[in-house]
Amino acid sequence: DTGVSQDPRHKITKRGQNVTFRCDPISEHNRLYWYRQTLGQGPEFLTYFQNEAQLEKSRLLSDRFSAERPKGSFSTLEIQRTEQGDSAMYLCASSLGSSGYSYEQYFGPGTRLTVT
Amino acid sequence: SQQGEEDPQALSIQEGENATMNCSYKTSINNLQWYRQNSGRGLVHLILIRSNEREKHSGRLRVTLDTSKKSSSLLITASRAADTASYFCATDNAGNNRKLIWGLGTSLAVNP
Repeated sequence: DTGVSQDPRHKITKRGQNVTFRCDPISEHNRLYWYRQTLGQGPEFLTYFQNEAQLEKSRLLSDRFSAERPKGSFSTLEIQRTEQGDSAMYLCASSLGSSGYSYEQYFGPGTRLTVT
Repeated sequence: SQQGEEDPQALSIQEGENATMNCSYKTSINNLQWYRQNSGRGLVHLILIRSNEREKHSGRLRVTLDTSKKSSSLLITASRAADTASYFCATDNAGNNRKLIWGLGTSLAVNP
């Protein structure tokens, strides 16, 4: 068990550029979550997958955000036309899961995005 | 949207003292989870308590759950400087949600 990994750890981009982050979950976990966290706040849910299916996406997430989890393994989160308000830590987590129940989540180290 | 509200927002204690943090939530839950976050290790799961449980222990941690009051508490006994971190509660809401709803956290400082 190598834990959840995220790449890159830091990303600095100019406003208007597109960025893509990658998350590799714990191999036997079928659920994968993306969160955003800003200073002094708790994690804010963005979206989650069960296997390859994206089951829920936050209403707060604009159309500029898209996530995929091909083949139910790693996942990517893309932000198009970045804005300064997108600057945050983007966290990925994975867990086991069954219908109607959540288990403990294991988090990656996060990708810190700075939009200049 | 935030579900849990931790109290206090910040807590400062001396090493060896006990620390108690509280979490209140709004809707019925399947379980409630506590996590710790510090700069060195990121977000780490501490303990999960199910809605039909009232108390759970893990090492120096003790969690209680009162579903009638929709509240939980986390007690850290004999605190250490390494316990300095932010502590979050997160709820798995009853219903069709399979995601966790997070509070804003309690920032704990343990002074040597």
